[in-house]
Amino acid sequence: GDSVTQMEGPVTLSEEAFLTINCTYTATGYPSLFWYVQYPGEGLQLLLKATKADDKGSNKGFEATYRKETTSFHLEKGSVQVSDSAVYFCASRGMGGATNKLIFGTGTLLAVQP
Amino acid sequence: NAGVMQNPRHLVRRRGQEARLRCSPMKGHSHVYWYRQLPEEGLKFMVYLQKENIIDESGMPKERFSAEFPKEGPSILRIQQVVRGDSAAYFCASSPGLAENQQFFGPGTRLTVL
Repeated sequence: GDSVTQMEGPVTLSEEAFLTINCTYTATGYPSLFWYVQYPGEGLQLLLKATKADDKGSNKGFEATYRKETTSFHLEKGSVQVSDSAVYFCASRGMGGATNKLIFGTGTLLAVQP
Repeated sequence: NAGVMQNPRHLVRRRGQEARLRCSPMKGHSHVYWYRQLPEEGLKFMVYLQKENIIDESGMPKERFSAEFPKEGPSILRIQQVVRGDSAAYFCASSPGLAENQQFFGPGTRLTVL
């Protein structure tokens, strides 16, 4: 079945460092891909998405490119801030069928130190 | 426009008791999803409902768990005879119903079984 694998955390960075969180997927067909962010004690918020190969999702300085050839959707940010500290989830959603369920990776905790 | 609301935010039950988790979708949303987040794990899909119908319950445990989304009122996730392994965060998400639409997540209910 479909699955999402993302790098394990925690990831600890200093402010203004470069961030990469790896995410790969397995799926039948071409799923839509998402990054969600979860701040402490809160629900998930959509950070960015891409719906087809070579699409780049971007938001708040974060970017991820849908790479069909490597089945990847790595999250990047050029300069992280303390306020970016959160758990980041990669997710996929299959196309068609009767359900739009999301399939999540295990999450990566990011801690940014001043 | 209020977001997805879940209550209670925290629920403590003793083994053998019943837990009822409520989810009020965003205004205008007729599709509800329930996900469970076990400690140190990502979110796992449980069930997808439309008003008065269960569309996909492939992620629901076979026993003790049930869900409903009545014509009037919130969606309810019910867990009978809770066990310690049911301790988790339960998230509800809603969408307007179109296949490509984003799922909006609530803040979650954190269930602790003593």
